[in-house]
Amino acid sequence: DVKVTQSSRYLVKRTGEKVFLECVQDMDHENMFWYRQDPGLGLRLIYFSYDVKMKEKGDIPEGYSVSREKKERFSLILESASTNQTSMYLCASRIDSPLEKLFFGSGTQLSVL
Amino acid sequence: GDSVTQMEGPVTLSEEAFLTINCTYTATGYPSLFWYVQYPGEGLQLLLKATKADDKGSNKGFEATYRKETTSFHLEKGSVQVSDSAVYFCALRRDTGRRALTFGSGTRLQVQP
Repeated sequence: DVKVTQSSRYLVKRTGEKVFLECVQDMDHENMFWYRQDPGLGLRLIYFSYDVKMKEKGDIPEGYSVSREKKERFSLILESASTNQTSMYLCASRIDSPLEKLFFGSGTQLSVL
Repeated sequence: GDSVTQMEGPVTLSEEAFLTINCTYTATGYPSLFWYVQYPGEGLQLLLKATKADDKGSNKGFEATYRKETTSFHLEKGSVQVSDSAVYFCALRRDTGRRALTFGSGTRLQVQP
């Protein structure tokens, strides 16, 4: 079965810190995604990547950047963490076929104090 | 832009009750529609999907029919179990353009024995 692994389940950071959230998938998927999940708002797309070194902004990219140097790894970077970035962050991957299912990691609950 | 609207939760039912979770969407063209489920402590996983009007997706006793005339994709199950307690997300993918899914806000289902 496909495995999408997010490096941390819980993370606590201070305002202004640079934060790295790591995601690794083991099935050679071309497409990878970062969403944040907030109560009442569901999942909102931050960034996605359809190939190594390729990225596209999602619906809420402000305050975030991403890196995809290798196919299996997709990193989300908070350049200067703020309290409004406290959220559950979900990584997902999929083969390059739009009707195929997304495989999600278990999420990283980030708290910015 | 694209959007998905789900009924607010939580939905609380007794075991063996009939379930309906409403989902309506706004999108141009002919999107594909999905239901994802998130069990406690786990990542989201695909429950079912439908790719064109009047298609019915089904899995694990759940069903949803793609109704283009009402732009809806309501999730139903005839007899829920305690193990169905989870958060259910409706999502769409546009038929052209962006590769990422647009999700609704999620509906929490609690099934009591």
